[in-house]
Parts: sequence; structure tokens; C-alpha cells
Amino acid sequence: DAGITQSPRHKVTETGTPVTLRCHQTENHRYMYWYRQDPGHGLRLIHYSYGVKDTDKGEVSDGYSVSRSKTEDFLLTLESATSSQTSVYFCAISDYGDEQYFGPGTRLTVT
Amino acid sequence: QQQVKQSPQSLIVQKGGISIINCAYENTAFDYFPWYQQFPGKGPALLIAIRPDVSEKKEGRFTISFNKSAKQFSLHIMDSQPGDSATYFCAASIAGGTSYGKLTFGQGTILTVHP
Repeated sequence: DAGITQSPRHKVTETGTPVTLRCHQTENHRYMYWYRQDPGHGLRLIHYSYGVKDTDKGEVSDGYSVSRSKTEDFLLTLESATSSQTSVYFCAISDYGDEQYFGPGTRLTVT
Repeated sequence: QQQVKQSPQSLIVQKGGISIINCAYENTAFDYFPWYQQFPGKGPALLIAIRPDVSEKKEGRFTISFNKSAKQFSLHIMDSQPGDSATYFCAASIAGGTSYGKLTFGQGTILTVHP
């Protein structure tokens, strides 16, 4: 998976609790992305980063925040998890903003 | 707003046959069109990609055909094998620059290749 790890790989949490997902890369790529995958919707962009401390919103950013304090780490936080955020979350990286390589994913269940 | 529409949703092909998946896009600013292959429990893997300055790109058994005027592109898998059974996603982006390569995905096609 192109030097990308995601943690945790699986998580079950309760509605209203905060959750942080971590993406770690060893490729020194500039761009990092968070997507969610849901049946019938393909993958949808949540947030992305184009450098350390440089982030912006994607298509489905409501209820999510991100931070990138180091090149290698990109964190996705659900401030107060809801059942609609049950999904599989994928991190991706890109060196020049074209080819993107995806991590193994985190399956999140909000009960 | 669904900017990339993919069809069919599912496809069953016999071993040795040709699998064809189609995508249509709306945003004429898109200039990078990748296809991803995803196996159950895994992340999407970049399969092949094309830019609009060419009409076709071939890598092994996989070919992308691109029709800029129709705003359509398709994936052809020649001599389909059971190991090709997976979900395939088309995507589109404005590569680099201030658009930062954000990908817009199609809904996916579940391909089953029968032996």
C-alpha cells in the first residue's frame, strides 16, 4: 500500500463520542487526502492537505476536522460521532497531485 | 452533484471475454482520468490512467478509451480472468495546481468473471 498505514483498522464507538483516525506515510508525498466509502456512492472526499498545516474541505466535510502537523501524518477527527458517519475511511497520498495511492482503510462503526 | 457517472453497476463476464465499463463526466476542466481496482477488504489500487491529449492508453490487458467531445471514457479488460473479479472505480480530477488533484469518483462496478 505504497508506504501508507492507517490506524486503527477497525473501530466501534458510540454516538456522541470523539474519534480520531490516523494516516501515516513514509513516502514524503506532499498531498494527503481523506475519503469515505459507502455503498452506492463510490468514494467521496472529506478533507485534503497540500502541505504541513495546509488543509481544506472536500465534498462531505460536515462533522469532520483534520490536522497535519508533520508531512507524514494526517489526522481525521469526528468531533461527535453520528450513525451517519459509519463508513470505511481511506487515506490517500500523492506526490504531484495526480496519481493517488490509497491506504488499507479504517472501518468505523458508530452505534 | 454527481459529476462522474459510471455504468454498469455490476457486470458478469465469462473467462476470456471482454469486460467494458463506461464513465461520463460533466466538468470539462477535468484533465486526469484514473481507474482503480479494489478487492474486498483492501484499499483502491491505481490500475491505469489517461490524460485528454490521447484517445487511448493500453497497459497489458487493460485499455482506456477516451472521447473528449462526448465527455466519456471507458475501461476495457481483454481476456478477462477470474482474478480480475473486483470492484472498479473510474475517477476524474484537475491534476495539481490549486485544485490539488481532488478526485471525483464514479459509483463503482462490481465485475465477476466466471471460470
